[in-house]
Amino acid sequence: NAGVTQTPKFRILKIGQSMTLQCAQDMNHNYMYWYRQDPGMGLKLIYYSVGAGITDKGEVPNGYNVSRSTTEDFPLRLELAAPSQTSVYFCASTTPGQGYEQYFGPGTRLTVT
Amino acid sequence: ELKVEQNPLFLSMQEGKNYTIYCNYSTTSDRLYWYRQDPGKSLESLFVLLSNGAVKQEGRLMASLDTKARLSTLHITAAVHDLSATYFCAVGYGGSQGNLIFGKGTKLSVKP
Repeated sequence: NAGVTQTPKFRILKIGQSMTLQCAQDMNHNYMYWYRQDPGMGLKLIYYSVGAGITDKGEVPNGYNVSRSTTEDFPLRLELAAPSQTSVYFCASTTPGQGYEQYFGPGTRLTVT
Repeated sequence: ELKVEQNPLFLSMQEGKNYTIYCNYSTTSDRLYWYRQDPGKSLESLFVLLSNGAVKQEGRLMASLDTKARLSTLHITAAVHDLSATYFCAVGYGGSQGNLIFGKGTKLSVKP
């Protein structure tokens, strides 16, 4: 199993550009999450999904959008990138049968200039 | 609103010493997780604590949960350099969504 994979690993965006961060998992987990981690801080939840076709906002959803058309994939869309979105983005997945223990992808380091 | 506080935020230890990291949270929860993060890397799950009084141990690390006190501890025994990393606690909320609120992390540095 590859676990949770994310692409790209690094990306530099100009202000106002858009991009999609990809996340996929091969563990058949229904629950998936997007977090951002700013320097010296913990993780903050952006969006989450409890199954295909179901998404909901987390703590910091402004400036982002998600979709969940399959169990495996959970892309995060940034529209009109701003410097405040410079961060490291982590995707995670879990299942209730494992006590909701979340498994994290390797992260995407995004810089907006 | 659920808040999670870790202390200390920075910890410099000598090899061979013992220490405890504390994780306090503000509202009821019976799910508590500890993660490790090395610089520039992702988060690695260490412990999953799902009931009051739960205690788990792996090598030199031991985690416990007291849901009545809303407190979890991560105890380090006879620290070694390889334990240098940032440790996060995360508290479950939101019922069946599996959502987590993370503490700010404790940056541990173990020196010879």
